Amino acid sequence: DTGVSQNPRHKITKRGQNVTFRCDPISEHNRLYWYRQTLGQGPEFLTYFQNEAQLEKSRLLSDRFSAERPKGSFSTLEIQRTEQGDSAMYLCASSPRDRGYNEQFFGPGTRLTVL
Amino acid sequence: KNEVEQSPQNLTAQEGEFITINCSYSVGISALHWLQQHPGGGIVSLFMLSSGKKKHGRLIATINIQEKHSSLHITASHPRDSAVYICAVRSTFSGSARQLTFGSGTQLTVLP
Repeated sequence: DTGVSQNPRHKITKRGQNVTFRCDPISEHNRLYWYRQTLGQGPEFLTYFQNEAQLEKSRLLSDRFSAERPKGSFSTLEIQRTEQGDSAMYLCASSPRDRGYNEQFFGPGTRLTVL
Repeated sequence: KNEVEQSPQNLTAQEGEFITINCSYSVGISALHWLQQHPGGGIVSLFMLSSGKKKHGRLIATINIQEKHSSLHITASHPRDSAVYICAVRSTFSGSARQLTFGSGTQLTVLP
């Protein structure tokens, strides 16, 4: 198993465009989390899935953001009508059921730059 | 006030020095994590603690639940230890028991 993977690693877009990121968790990890990290700060929680169900969303997740995990495996995070304030690193993590989901394994992140 | 506070924000050390990074939190927790983030973004989990002390190689992590405080120590520091070290907690507060709350990180630079 190669760990959590995210694509693309970098994305540069113009303000107003839509972007979509993909996260492939470690296989058989039930939970999948999305976080956002701006420069000089720690990551902030956006949303998480247990299997295909989206169980919690942060108030940071405006209506321009949507996340899906249609088959309980990979997940996508879409940002519509991007704004310069969306520029950040978007991190995905997955977590196995054993030990009560306390451990999270992080992907390398997707760095978004909105011009 | 942030739920998770780290100090110092930046730390520069000479190779071989003993390093301590501190983390204080204000909520009840079920677990505390120490994470390492290298340039480029990838995050690696170093420790997960709910009590006591853990050691892995030159890294030691301690937690005092009563004082809501944890420390990460690096013995015989090396330039390859240069990274951002992040403390994160899993809160037991209702509605937030499933994701991590992160500190803002400590940028460690170890000079040769």
